[in-house]
Amino acid sequence: DAMVIQNPRYQVTQFGKPVTLSCSQTLNHNVMYWYQQKSSQAPKLLFHYYDKDFNNEADTPDNFQSRRPNTSFCFLDIRSPGLGDAAMYLCATSRDLTGTRVSYEQFFGPGTRLTVL
Amino acid sequence: GDSVTQMEGPVTLSEEAFLTINCTYTATGYPSLFWYVQYPGEGLQLLLKATKADDKGSNKGFEATYRKETTSFHLEKGSVQVSDSAVYFCALGNNNDMRFGAGTRLTVKP
Repeated sequence: DAMVIQNPRYQVTQFGKPVTLSCSQTLNHNVMYWYQQKSSQAPKLLFHYYDKDFNNEADTPDNFQSRRPNTSFCFLDIRSPGLGDAAMYLCATSRDLTGTRVSYEQFFGPGTRLTVL
Repeated sequence: GDSVTQMEGPVTLSEEAFLTINCTYTATGYPSLFWYVQYPGEGLQLLLKATKADDKGSNKGFEATYRKETTSFHLEKGSVQVSDSAVYFCALGNNNDMRFGAGTRLTVKP
C-alpha cells in the first residue's frame, strides 16, 4: 500500500544534541510537509517543499532545518534541541494542486515523538 | 486568511449516544473540507472529506455536510462506541494550504 513512513516512531535526545527525523513516501507526491504538534493541539506547519523548492514558515525557529534529497525522502534536522522542542513531529504529503479545483488532501505519517532530556 | 473554528472539548459521552462536533470556516475560493481523527500516539488519519457545497462525506458511521450558506462542516455520528475515543480535527484545504481547527477530544464511556 502507498503510504507515508516516519522513522523512528520514538526518539530521545539530550538537550542541545542534534537530532534528525526522517520521512519517506511511496505516493510519489511532489509536496511534503513537516508539522510540529504538542499535546493534541492542532499541528503547526514548520515548512514544506514543492519538489525541491523549500518554503519556510515565518515563525519557524532557525533551530529547525530540512532536507529533501529526492522525491521520496525528507528529513527534519533540529540543530540544538531544547526542552520546548519536545513534541510529536508529523510528516505529510500531497499532490501540487495549485490553481486547480481538484480535491486536495494531505496524507500523514504516524509521527515521531521526540523527547528531550 | 482562511481559518477554521472548532467546538472546544473535551466531550464525554456514553456509548450509543449521539455525537455532534461543530466546525465553521472562513475561506476564499473553492476549499475542500476534512475531518481527521487522531488516536493516542498516532498520526492524523483522514476520516471523511467533502470537496464542494452540499457534498456529504461519510465513513465508519460518521457524517458531515459541506454547508456553504452557514460556512459549516459539523461532524455527526448517531451512536458512538468506546473505540471512537480520539481527538478530532476539522480542516480546510485550499490549494496547497491546510488549516486545522484546535481539535476536540472525545471520550466515550461504556
